[in-house]
Amino acid sequence: DVQLVQSGGGLVQRGGSLRLSCAASGFNVSNNYMNWVRQAPGKGLEWVSVIYTDAVTHYADSVKGRFTSSRDNSKNTLDLQMTSLRPDDTAVYYCARVTRQYYFDLWGQGILVSVSS
Amino acid sequence: QSALTQPPSVSGSPGQSVTISCTGSTSDIGSYYRVSWYQQSPGTAPKLMIYEVSSRPSGVPGRFSGSKSGNTASLTISGLQAEDEADYYCSSYTSSSTYVFGTGTKVTVL
Repeated sequence: DVQLVQSGGGLVQRGGSLRLSCAASGFNVSNNYMNWVRQAPGKGLEWVSVIYTDAVTHYADSVKGRFTSSRDNSKNTLDLQMTSLRPDDTAVYYCARVTRQYYFDLWGQGILVSVSS
Repeated sequence: QSALTQPPSVSGSPGQSVTISCTGSTSDIGSYYRVSWYQQSPGTAPKLMIYEVSSRPSGVPGRFSGSKSGNTASLTISGLQAEDEADYYCSSYTSSSTYVFGTGTKVTVL
């Protein structure tokens, strides 16, 4: 089956760090445009980051300099290292695949990150 | 990186048509045919409904259609059904090689 399964997440204090992981099956993360998208409680979707096939990364201004997206090709996983976390980073985080036509066609199940003040 | 603008809510009776607008800029919607739409029910991941402005993935009912004019894209649901009640988000690729989502629209079936 083609799917994304997420792990990590949980409760962390302001200023802390957390690492999310997204395991892909049925395809290679290295050959795809892999993204993180988040959704704060009761709010809309917010794009967070992308890592392209050439390993170029881009980030939303709200997380730039604090979050780092990376791939582990041997494990076929996408990771998001989050540092200097703030209460407004509290959200469900989704990993998602974007096609060559630039739409999101595959989503992980989502995982909750809660940052306490 | 401002979110695309959508109306907070739209509503209609079963069988009616509703249209959701999504307004961006020349840096996103206005420059690319890379607009997509997603349906999200509470507690679930978004589901792709429309891609490349007006293309429907297999399995999505024909009552869902999309269009674009200038910096504004639109999603129309014709023949509204109770199961269409959900939140809907537009998305676009941008000139910065990033992505942006709309503010979201809650569709209510009266």
